[in-house]
Parts: sequence; structure tokens; C-alpha cells
Amino acid sequence: RKEVEQDPGPFNVPEGATVAFNCTYSNSASQSFFWYRQDCRKEPKLLMSVYSSGNEDGRFTAQLNRASQYISLLIRDSKLSDSATYLCVVIGPGGEKLVFGTGTRLLVSP
Amino acid sequence: NAGVTQTPKFRILKIGQSMTLQCTQDMNHNYMYWYRQDPGMGLKLIYYSVGAGITDKGEVPNGYNVSRSTTEDFPLRLELAAPSQTSVYFCASSGQVNTEAFFGQGTRLTVV
Repeated sequence: RKEVEQDPGPFNVPEGATVAFNCTYSNSASQSFFWYRQDCRKEPKLLMSVYSSGNEDGRFTAQLNRASQYISLLIRDSKLSDSATYLCVVIGPGGEKLVFGTGTRLLVSP
Repeated sequence: NAGVTQTPKFRILKIGQSMTLQCTQDMNHNYMYWYRQDPGMGLKLIYYSVGAGITDKGEVPNGYNVSRSTTEDFPLRLELAAPSQTSVYFCASSGQVNTEAFFGQGTRLTVV
């Protein structure tokens, strides 16, 4: 089983739609969780951290479910500019290594 | 702030050649990482370092070497380039355990 698994997509949604991505991780002792965004041929950039209590940043909401070992990202009112690949990132028990999922591609159309 | 800087941005190597990918950060971060990303795939960890003088293997270290003589620099060395090393290489750094990493703009390497 991969350490971090994501549905590669693509998710094709119209502008204004709500879309959700899930990511599962295999190591129950994992410490920290993030969502990164990667545009085509660019470096990954931090979108948001994921806390046990959940967190929200504008149209974006991230949730962590430790019991089921998954994290989620919800995007409301999708914009064309949201089109990108969303990478799930997990830091293992040592707190040092960031392990990336393969990413979920989102395409928002007019 | 410059953040994480990688050079070169692009390079074409012939099979068997060697080269060093440079990475430097000006954030005084202890943790530095090298990842490779193949087309349509996620990032795979090659090597990482938790501080000057300390390096460790990641998931895919074969064919690569690193050194960390200073906090700022973390070069990645390819000794005998092979077509399988054609990829985009990202360097990253983070300031503490369990915190996010900041990435350089990447080096696109093609081995022919």
C-alpha cells in the first residue's frame, strides 16, 4: 500500500461548483498534513495546513480524520484559476520527511 | 526574499556525463530536501538533510549523491547520467520538524 494515496482525476467541474478531494495515508503515527497546489510545470506551493479541528481559508476547507486516516479538501464556488493539481502531503512519525501523493488534477471550465 | 534558489533551470546531458544541481536557501532552514518528479507523477524523495553535515537517503537515492557542508547549500550530484534520470528536480527547505516546505523553481533535466 502506498504511503499516501490520491485519486488522480481529472475532476472536471463548471465554474461555481463545489468539489471535494480525499487523500488516505497508511501510517497512523503520521504527524502533520498539508495540501499543496501545483500549476503545470511549476513548483508546488503550500495551499493550507490541515489541523485535527479542521480549518478554513476563504473558499477552501480542509479536514483531518485520524480514525480513518484520511484528509480532505473542499473547494467551494470554483474559479477558473483553481485549475491545477492538488497534492496531499503527509509528514511521517520522525517529523522530517514530507511524503507526497501523486496529486489530483482539477479542471474548472466556464 | 530569494527563498530557495535552484540552478540551472534547464539542462541537457549526454549518457554517462556528470553534473551538479545547485540549491541554496536564505531562510536559515535546517531541513533541506531533493525530490524528482516524472511526468504525471508525484514527487519522490531522493535525499534529505536535517542540518549541516548530516544527510540521509530517501525513496530513490540510487545514482545520486549529496553533501551539506553549510546550512544554506545542498547540491545534488549525478555521476553517470542515465536516461532514467530525465525528470524535473525540486529542492525544498523547511525550518522545523513537522512544518511545511518551501520549494525552488525546479531544474528540468534531460538525459539523451
